Amino acid sequence: NAGVTQTPKFQVLKTGQSMTLQCAQDMNHNSMYWYRQDPGMGLRLIYYSASEGTTDKGEVPNGYNVSRLNKREFSLRLESAAPSQTSVYFCASRPTGVEEQYFGPGTRLTVT
Amino acid sequence: QKEVEQNSGPLSVPEGAIASLNCTYSDRGSQSFFWYRQYSGKSPELIMSIYSNGDKEDGRFTAQLNKASQYVSLLIRDSQPSDSATYLCAASAGSARQLTFGSGTQLTVLP
Repeated sequence: NAGVTQTPKFQVLKTGQSMTLQCAQDMNHNSMYWYRQDPGMGLRLIYYSASEGTTDKGEVPNGYNVSRLNKREFSLRLESAAPSQTSVYFCASRPTGVEEQYFGPGTRLTVT
Repeated sequence: QKEVEQNSGPLSVPEGAIASLNCTYSDRGSQSFFWYRQYSGKSPELIMSIYSNGDKEDGRFTAQLNKASQYVSLLIRDSQPSDSATYLCAASAGSARQLTFGSGTQLTVLP
């Protein structure tokens, strides 16, 4: 039982490049979330998926797209990376009927 | 705009002392509240959750919630150097229980 996994752990992109951050959970959780964390700040919600087949915008969705591929996987795509998207990205999941969210190890992204 | 504010840090306490961390929230629709601990370079780790007014104790940790004052706190008793980390307060709202986080309080426990 690996919990929440994220790939890659580190990534460097040039401005304008695209990439997809992958997140998977093996806990049969219904809800999944993407957050970003900038230095000295708390986490901000980018997108979430309350259940398979649904996605919704969070606080800072501009410049991102998401796909809930199946119940296990929730990916975050940057179509044209910008330096302002340099951040640490965390994926989280939550089982139905439980309030707590559980976080993956994060992806550290640098856009130059 | 939903906001969660944490008392400004950094906070330093001697080993064995009580560390007190505070948080206020703006959204009266928030239903549940959480304290996460985050070590440098690591992901947030849930240490306490609280849903109703009053105190909740778990080992050396006590969370307090006052919904009338929109105030949440975390007390760490007998602080240890291993407690040195950033503590994030979060409030949950919405049908998918989306979290709004504070900016964190950095705690250092001095041996």
